[in-house]
Amino acid sequence: KNEVEQSPQNLTAQEGEFITINCSYSVGISALHWLQQHPGGGIVSLFMLSSGKKKHGRLIATINIQEKHSSLHITASHPRDSAVYICAVSQSGGGADGLTFGKGTHLIIQP
Amino acid sequence: GAVVSQHPSRVICKSGTSVKIECRSLDFQATTMFWYRQFPKQSLMLMATSNEGSKATYEQGVEKDKFLINHASLTLSTLTVTSAHPEDSSFYICSAAVFADTQYFGPGTRLTVL
Repeated sequence: KNEVEQSPQNLTAQEGEFITINCSYSVGISALHWLQQHPGGGIVSLFMLSSGKKKHGRLIATINIQEKHSSLHITASHPRDSAVYICAVSQSGGGADGLTFGKGTHLIIQP
Repeated sequence: GAVVSQHPSRVICKSGTSVKIECRSLDFQATTMFWYRQFPKQSLMLMATSNEGSKATYEQGVEKDKFLINHASLTLSTLTVTSAHPEDSSFYICSAAVFADTQYFGPGTRLTVL
């Protein structure tokens, strides 16, 4: 069993739909990261969180430490949101430790 | 925002040659740099953690003599794949961090070994 599990693996939705991507982890963590990887491979860090909820534009990330679960939501989805979304965890200080990654969720938003 | 560059973005080499990949933090000094690789349709995997002026810490299963990491300054880390073989073909990504802050990722280097 992987330490970080994401679901769904693939998601296709229509423009405007509300998107939810889930992440569960089985280890103790100091922080959880949501990353976005575009087709060329480049990675952008979306959120780093250790409790509660964060919002940036149309993106919302939540985490429940007791349940070891996090969700990434996209409101009013747009074709430019199409990418692979990756959940990753750090087990000590977000920047001082390498990350353990989920396999990613491949999101396609159709016009 | 914090920018991390990698060079080259793409490299094709013959089996047995060595390839050097550079990772630079352009507008900040990174206390720690990380090297990851990603095989097709697989998740990213941490290879090694590098702190300026000290030896890199390699993850289990990563050969330190094959993947040489040099972290000479707070803005530059290099990964050299020595005697590359086709199974080393992968997407290599670095990231840079300042203490416990978030990691900033480079654009990646796609290595193809013929």
